Amino acid sequence: GAGVSQSPSNKVTEKGKDVELRCDPISGHTALYWYRQSLGQGLEFLIYFQGNSAPDKSGLPSDRFSAERTGGSVSTLTIQRTQQEDSAVYLCASSFGPRQEAFFGQGTRLTVV
Amino acid sequence: KNEVEQSPQNLTAQEGEFITINCSYSVGISALHWLQQHPGGGIVSLFMLSSGKKKHGRLIATINIQEKHSSLHITASHPRDSAVYICAITQGGSEKLVFGKGTKLTVNP
Repeated sequence: GAGVSQSPSNKVTEKGKDVELRCDPISGHTALYWYRQSLGQGLEFLIYFQGNSAPDKSGLPSDRFSAERTGGSVSTLTIQRTQQEDSAVYLCASSFGPRQEAFFGQGTRLTVV
Repeated sequence: KNEVEQSPQNLTAQEGEFITINCSYSVGISALHWLQQHPGGGIVSLFMLSSGKKKHGRLIATINIQEKHSSLHITASHPRDSAVYICAITQGGSEKLVFGKGTKLTVNP
């Protein structure tokens, strides 16, 4: 596609439910990043993929969070047993390689009620 | 203390004014990024730089590696420049971006 695509754009879920957020990076981009933007917290790193491997998962806040990437393309961020503090905008970015210019998706706004 | 500090947090200007947003960081970096985020959330990369100066249209970014400081300048500001401008760094040996808290710019007609 022309840009980084994320789905859904908005998700409202009940506390305790699991959610899956999807990211389609720009074709050919080997590096993929997940970030989170919470109200009043700014942007924070969650996880970095190079190809299908995740050499840096240091930003995942708890073991309820996991992510995978298949075929060097699509990535899914899964949050299990969602909590209200998980409410945020989840942003995906991709780049041709590590330390290259990053292109961001529009984000998924997650609201846990 | 945040590794990336931006100033000011908020900035209001009149159309046509010259704008400067500052970014200081406290660690060694491989690159510094300036990002723009409009209401509605979309983030656009404006510049990625590791030395010197880059210019794109009315936007200019400079970096001083020795002083660990970067500036983003907007010449002849316009209301459409109203957005949050975010400074981010990649540290040597790491691939992730570490972000400043952003500068909210409002340009009034």
